[in-house]
Amino acid sequence: AQSVAQPEDQVNVAEGNPLTVKCTYSVSGNPYLFWYVQYPNRGLQFLLKYITGDNLVKGSYGFEAEFNKSQTSFHLKKPSALVSDSALYFCAVRDRANSGGYQKVTFGTGTKLQVIP
Amino acid sequence: KAGVTQTPRYLIKTRGQQVTLSCSPISGHRSVSWYQQTPGQGLQFLFEYFSETQRNKGNFPGRFSGRQFSNSRSEMNVSTLELGDSALYLCASRPEGLGEQYFGPGTRLTVT
Repeated sequence: AQSVAQPEDQVNVAEGNPLTVKCTYSVSGNPYLFWYVQYPNRGLQFLLKYITGDNLVKGSYGFEAEFNKSQTSFHLKKPSALVSDSALYFCAVRDRANSGGYQKVTFGTGTKLQVIP
Repeated sequence: KAGVTQTPRYLIKTRGQQVTLSCSPISGHRSVSWYQQTPGQGLQFLFEYFSETQRNKGNFPGRFSGRQFSNSRSEMNVSTLELGDSALYLCASRPEGLGEQYFGPGTRLTVT
């Protein structure tokens, strides 16, 4: 069974400082990994994904994530946080084992990011 | 392209009633998934439909059901509502393959 862990319920960071939101995963095969963001009373918005290739993935709004196979991690990062980045962030994984795309996506529990002015 | 739309956006029901939620995916997307989001349980997968067939199902009781129509629009139904069914229900569509999902704004269901 696949799983995703986001060990921090909340991350606080000062505006202008770098931010990291952590994610680790467990799958039987190789993973497809995703980050989504959710603003209050809204659905989730896609930020970035790792399918294959470079371990450093760049996404929307200046976010990037680093895939680390040995540590089974996919941490979300941004060099300089903005107050408008304050939201709920979800990491998700799909197991590559079934290339037909029939595997469901498993989401982490979410990390609330608070950027302090 | 228009995004994923969900109707209604807000719903208040009484215990024991049933409810039907609707989702229209992005044009061309044949996969539609449903999720339940609550503060305590996070985002829980309900089911996924592709070309009118349910191909994945989460660990929810049989009171939760869904279907997909030939135009890819999807509905989910919850019968005999319980207080614990109060949640934000999210629908997501994605194109064929293993790409990202596109979420609708959700339907906020309150059961009293």
